[in-house]
Amino acid sequence: DVKVTQSSRYLVKRTGEKVFLECVQDMDHENMFWYRQDPGLGLRLIYFSYDVKMKEKGDIPEGYSVSREKKERFSLILESASTNQTSMYLCASRLAGQETQYFGPGTRLLVL
Amino acid sequence: SQQGEEDPQALSIQEGENATMNCSYKTSINNLQWYRQNSGRGLVHLILIRSNEREKHSGRLRVTLDTSKKSSSLLITASRAADTASYFCATDAGSGGYNKLIFGAGTRLAVHP
Repeated sequence: DVKVTQSSRYLVKRTGEKVFLECVQDMDHENMFWYRQDPGLGLRLIYFSYDVKMKEKGDIPEGYSVSREKKERFSLILESASTNQTSMYLCASRLAGQETQYFGPGTRLLVL
Repeated sequence: SQQGEEDPQALSIQEGENATMNCSYKTSINNLQWYRQNSGRGLVHLILIRSNEREKHSGRLRVTLDTSKKSSSLLITASRAADTASYFCATDAGSGGYNKLIFGAGTRLAVHP
């Protein structure tokens, strides 16, 4: 079975802090994705990566950056956290050419 | 704006009843997928239907797709308390191998024993 893990289930940070959210998958998937999920808005794509060292902006990249130095790991970085980045963050991975995405359990981030 | 929009936003039924959720979308798609999310957890893929398919079954799940109306429905038959979750449709409209999924806001299903 595909396993996607995220470094924290819950995280509390202060405004202005730099925040790192880590995602690791164990199935050698090329594609990885970061979403945020807010009530009534569903999942919105922040960034995605088609392979190592590649990254593409999603629909809401402002205030975020990503890093993909190794195939199994995709990091989401909040350079200077703000209260409007309080949200549930979901990571997903997918084998290149396949349609199904596999999700991690999510990180619920609270920015005070 | 969102590609997929689910209807209803919330659904409450008794165990044993059927649950139907609908999804509408705006542009042409390659496929449409349904995912389930248990409270506070990640999403789990349920079923995928391609644009050239009209109906698909998987266990107690039945998905239909009407590309002329740009809509899909997910039917869960003989529901169980364990089916309580949020259900999301996601459309894949990409090209060139760089396919992204666009998710709707979801339907919250509560199945009461």
